[in-house]
Amino acid sequence: DIQMTQSPSSLSASLGDLVTISCRASQNIGTYLNWYQHKPGKAPKLVIFGASNLQTGVPSRFSASGSGTDFTLTINSLQPEDFATYYCQQDYSSPYTFGQGIKLEIK
Amino acid sequence: EVQLVQSGAEVKKPGESLKISCQGSGNKSTKYWIAWVRQMPGKGLEWMGITYLDDSDVIYSPSFQGQVTISADKSTTTAYLQWSSLKASDTGVYYCGRPRGGIVEDWGQGTLVTVSS
Repeated sequence: DIQMTQSPSSLSASLGDLVTISCRASQNIGTYLNWYQHKPGKAPKLVIFGASNLQTGVPSRFSASGSGTDFTLTINSLQPEDFATYYCQQDYSSPYTFGQGIKLEIK
Repeated sequence: EVQLVQSGAEVKKPGESLKISCQGSGNKSTKYWIAWVRQMPGKGLEWMGITYLDDSDVIYSPSFQGQVTISADKSTTTAYLQWSSLKASDTGVYYCGRPRGGIVEDWGQGTLVTVSS
């Protein structure tokens, strides 16, 4: 299985901040990398697919980049609704593994 | 767009069997996959496997092969996840989703499974 490792291990930020979350794959996955936002009691929500493509309906303050093994998700000007856990996921090869998740908390 | 509706929360004892469901609606086609994803308490998302509704083909994650059974009923556009003998470590929330490749755009609401004596 491809291992996905996210960093930092935890993250606290304030409203209006810019935050960056990193994700590393254990092997080259091209741009087969997706980002999900997950809030307690809710289903995960696709935010970014194909490493850098914003899912329909997701605010433009979300952006992402990367290819190969290293990827980043950036949230510009944090809003209250952005505080959640963020997961990266590779869909290069089955099983389509997730990173361990990063909980973005309010400072 | 496909809506996915999952069966309700379950409370079971260790050793009992269980089958939970995920029904797709809003699209008459059965030519799509359904994935199952686990979230154990306080933990992250884990890809369990996928099934193709049209022919019930199943691809398991190696970590879950032999631990659960994934199946599908084309006639009711429903996917299932079942256990023959539950363990306390099976406690968690189980989500179904509709993957495009591995990208999951549509999700069910989740089913909480609690296994406790």
